[in-house]
Amino acid sequence: EPEVTQTPSHQVTQMGQEVILRCVPISNHLYFYWYRQILGQKVEFLVSFYNNEISEKSEIFDDQFSVERPDGSNFTLKIRSTKLEDSAMYFCASSLQLAGVADTQYFGPGTRLTVL
Amino acid sequence: AQSVSQHNHHVILSEAASLELGCNYSYGGTVNLFWYVQYPGQHLQLLLKYFSGDPLVKGIKGFEAEFIKSKFSFNLRKPSVQWSDTAEYFCAVKHGNNRLAFGKGNQVVVIP
Repeated sequence: EPEVTQTPSHQVTQMGQEVILRCVPISNHLYFYWYRQILGQKVEFLVSFYNNEISEKSEIFDDQFSVERPDGSNFTLKIRSTKLEDSAMYFCASSLQLAGVADTQYFGPGTRLTVL
Repeated sequence: AQSVSQHNHHVILSEAASLELGCNYSYGGTVNLFWYVQYPGQHLQLLLKYFSGDPLVKGIKGFEAEFIKSKFSFNLRKPSVQWSDTAEYFCAVKHGNNRLAFGKGNQVVVIP
């Protein structure tokens, strides 16, 4: 069964450094997402992406964050200058999302980001 | 504020016991409802979903959930749990656009 994959599984970085988290969505899916879960808190929506542009973003997704689909398979989340409070598990998800049809988001295993 | 609520964040029960996890949401209008499960060391997996139709939905591994619109609830049930059901369970609601709103999760431990 096709799965969403994410790399790396763990990332440790110094405050102020840039990080790029990588995801490979399910191959025929059209919508891509990033969520994060700070330890002990809820899974929170960050951004959704469709047709090479952001379709929706949350208030968390400020100018420090960006997303990109650099090629036909990868979907990346970049944090330009990491802060301590960016430490979290970051989940990528994808969905088929046919227009007007309810769909299911399938999640990757997550990248644990630790900012020191 | 609009939210998804899950109570009893830590649940400990014995094998063969029945499990019910509550989920309440405060979003109006059309919603799509999901339960995801995260087994230790694994990623979020879809357990079951409700989009429309029969409010009693059956998922994998013997789980079911009932959508009660008047109560804004989507409770998860399993009549007889197994040790392998030890996991964290998340209720999620899709409303409006594409974003999912998650509850805080229920950590379920099944004692053999």
